[in-house]
Amino acid sequence: DTEVTQTPKHLVMGMTNKKSLKCEQHMGHRAMYWYKQKAKKPPELMFVYSYEKLSINESVPSRFSPECPNSSLLNLHLHALQPEDSALYLCASSLLGQGANSPLHFGNGTRLTVT
Amino acid sequence: DAKTTQPTSMDCAEGRAANLPCNHSTISGNEYVYWYRQIHSQGPQYIIHGLKNNETNEMASLIITEDRKSSTLILPHATLRDTAVYYCIVRVSGTYKYIFGTGTRLKVLA
Repeated sequence: DTEVTQTPKHLVMGMTNKKSLKCEQHMGHRAMYWYKQKAKKPPELMFVYSYEKLSINESVPSRFSPECPNSSLLNLHLHALQPEDSALYLCASSLLGQGANSPLHFGNGTRLTVT
Repeated sequence: DAKTTQPTSMDCAEGRAANLPCNHSTISGNEYVYWYRQIHSQGPQYIIHGLKNNETNEMASLIITEDRKSSTLILPHATLRDTAVYYCIVRVSGTYKYIFGTGTRLKVLA
């Protein structure tokens, strides 16, 4: 079990669908992250939120839209995806401030398949 | 951004120490090194991190060279459950950007 919970675990969507991935943590972490991982590759950073504000966007296409409604929740809204967007999407969180060198805590991811 | 390089794969006999190297020759003075492992279909699991001193916890030891250009993760008595992909990560100084290396696929053999 992890302290970062991601839902759903699996998602299949068509290229015209709109769906959302959800991530939740209750560790008091104020930084939250989205990573994308293709098969047999390392995770690649997509977005970072700090204090509920978007601080890093790694040139991610606009069909991926992140949202951080509060300090415990992180969403990733998906629209008009392509089959090559199929991947494992990982959420993570970490402390900020004095705990700024604290490690990332990962969820177990959402496995997304775009048909 | 600091980059890390790791061997693609390694084998280790069960019960022996597994020594996993990582090169991070462009690391800055205040950038930490983190190690994670990932078992198939799960999220990465934190193992250990350090700045310049050697570190040890219940899972592993981390040895960082004096020039900080490389480090070694040591699993002192590898078990079959340690079979996983191990990632060395550097956090880019002044940001919350954690960059994964390519990872080492460790196979522990019975």
